[in-house]
Amino acid sequence: ELKVEQNPLFLSMQEGKNYTIYCNYSTTSDRLYWYRQDPGKSLESLFVLLSNGAVKQEGRLMASLDTKARLSTLHITAAVHDLSATYFCAVDMIGRFPGGRYNFNKFYFGSGTKLNVKP
Amino acid sequence: GAVVSQHPSWVICKSGTSVKIECRSLDFQATTMFWYRQFPKQSLMLMATSNEGSKATYEQGVEKDKFLINHASLTLSTLTVTSAHPEDSSFYICSARFRGNQPQHFGDGTRLSIL
Repeated sequence: ELKVEQNPLFLSMQEGKNYTIYCNYSTTSDRLYWYRQDPGKSLESLFVLLSNGAVKQEGRLMASLDTKARLSTLHITAAVHDLSATYFCAVDMIGRFPGGRYNFNKFYFGSGTKLNVKP
Repeated sequence: GAVVSQHPSWVICKSGTSVKIECRSLDFQATTMFWYRQFPKQSLMLMATSNEGSKATYEQGVEKDKFLINHASLTLSTLTVTSAHPEDSSFYICSARFRGNQPQHFGDGTRLSIL
């Protein structure tokens, strides 16, 4: 079974600082996703990384994927309080329904990183 | 706007009650829908995967008789928590996928509290 490890689990940092969240996974997969979750809310999609070497940036967040190392990073640049949330990475794996008629992709989530940016 | 609608968003009921949660894909026909469970301060745990017209595939450790999943159409899946007890209290999130290589779209989640 695919295992997804995320580090750190909790991160408290000052505004203006930089930091990186790491996501390691145990089995070959070419697709990795990053999500944000605010308290009491569902998931908000941040990035979809579909190939080795993929790098995507949105505002102060940048995500990258190294499929050979089975590692994705989410880099935070000059953090602001509004970035406070829990961040999840997710890796998908092909599954098959009983009887083999359909394929589907199962998501395996990391444990999440709770980010607290102090003003 | 939201592409997956989940209803209700919050439900509180007494122990022993069965509770149904709906998940609808609004702008597309979902070939596959997923149900997750999330305990406070924990990650999402996949409970089951369903394809329209087929029986759901449950993850190990998830009781299929306890969590009934019906995927009657390409736009609707339901999760029924039968004879719910306080330990079933959790945040339940559904997601839907158009095709196998497309990202999942998540619903807003349902907070279930059993007294």
